[in-house]
Amino acid sequence: GQNIDQPTEMTATEGAIVQINCTYQTSGFNGLFWYQQHAGEAPTFLSYNVLDGLEEKGRFSSFLSRSKGYSYLLLKELQMKDSASYLCAVLDSNYQLIWGAGTKLIIKP
Amino acid sequence: DAGVIQSPRHEVTEMGQEVTLRCKPISGHDYLFWYRQTMMRGLELLIYFNNNVPIDDSGMPEDRFSAKMPNASFSTLKIQPSEPRDSAVYFCASSLKGQGMFNEQFFGPGTRLTVL
Repeated sequence: GQNIDQPTEMTATEGAIVQINCTYQTSGFNGLFWYQQHAGEAPTFLSYNVLDGLEEKGRFSSFLSRSKGYSYLLLKELQMKDSASYLCAVLDSNYQLIWGAGTKLIIKP
Repeated sequence: DAGVIQSPRHEVTEMGQEVTLRCKPISGHDYLFWYRQTMMRGLELLIYFNNNVPIDDSGMPEDRFSAKMPNASFSTLKIQPSEPRDSAVYFCASSLKGQGMFNEQFFGPGTRLTVL
């Protein structure tokens, strides 16, 4: 079967750094997406990785290791507005997005 | 572009009533997806269309659910009869046909459905 695992909830402090991990087992791999979803809103695109390594975009970075079936989203200089759920999604061999359950990130002052 | 448009934004109905949710995808997008999101089950894919044709409806819970896409700019998700366990946020998303990065899905604001 296809499976994506993420921690259910994480807590971090404003100004700090947090790493949200995602492990996956899917039938094929054509890339991995991270989406951000604020409470009561729709998911919005954050990043896409298809090759191994780190992709940096401002305060957010995403890392991928295809051999390990592993990705992480790194958030630096945390702000209160970063409180949200972060969804990991893998594009499988049929180009279908398989979604993780999401990680709820709580930022404390 | 206005993005993906969904209506209504909120719907409260009584058990047994018919509910119709509507979606207008981003112009030019080939794929349209219907999702349901609850606290317990997270984001679930119900059905998706490619060029107005339903491709995979294996996520549709049961025969009470049906979806149509009569043209490239409009889709409906219908629940008849509705039940309290159908209460959830229903998202519509669209994307371009392509590989890799082009599979980014753009989500509408969602319809929050409450069935009493």
